Amino acid sequence: NAGVMQNPRHLVRRRGQEARLRCSPMKGHSHVYWYRQLPEEGLKFMVYLQKENIIDESGMPKERFSAEFPKEGPSILRIQQVVRGDSAAYFCASSPWLGYTEAFFGQGTRLTVV
Amino acid sequence: QQQVKQSPQSLIVQKGGISIINCAYENTAFDYFPWYQQFPGKGPALLIAIRPDVSEKKEGRFTISFNKSAKQFSLHIMDSQPGDSATYFCAAPRRLTQGGSEKLVFGKGTKLTVNP
Repeated sequence: NAGVMQNPRHLVRRRGQEARLRCSPMKGHSHVYWYRQLPEEGLKFMVYLQKENIIDESGMPKERFSAEFPKEGPSILRIQQVVRGDSAAYFCASSPWLGYTEAFFGQGTRLTVV
Repeated sequence: QQQVKQSPQSLIVQKGGISIINCAYENTAFDYFPWYQQFPGKGPALLIAIRPDVSEKKEGRFTISFNKSAKQFSLHIMDSQPGDSATYFCAAPRRLTQGGSEKLVFGKGTKLTVNP
């Protein structure tokens, strides 16, 4: 059983471009959480999704950021018109149910905006 | 904004020593207290966790001590090894909505260096 897979591992985008980050949860996991980590900081919650539903996006910036978790395929975190402040590591975690007792994090996508 | 305050920010210990990292929380509704270990370039990995109905949990060289009245919990690493050098995060889940959504509130992390 593979772990949580995130790709790409590293992503470089110019200001104004779009960034698409993918997260494939562990087999049997239908709950996905996205977190952002700034340098020297802890992780900050962004959004919680179940298949085809956004359950809670209270941590998402109001503009330029969106997330989806379709019935088939990985969860996608999309950042439009990236700015330098979006540079961070983005982690997703998946769980078979609500809560973190059996949640596993992926290796993250490190986004650099130049 | 509910917070989890972690200290120290960095810690250097000698091989074989005891590493102690502390966290304080505000929200009494937290009911699960995990510690995560993160190596450079990797995602956080669950190390050990405790529920507030017990005061201590031990797994190998790692122990969580929980003080409910003081709203504090700490991680003790006995016989610290160079391979333990990593960043450690305490966290607590917070229920966000009546529907049961949760988020983990993380401390800012402690960078542990164990010298050989």
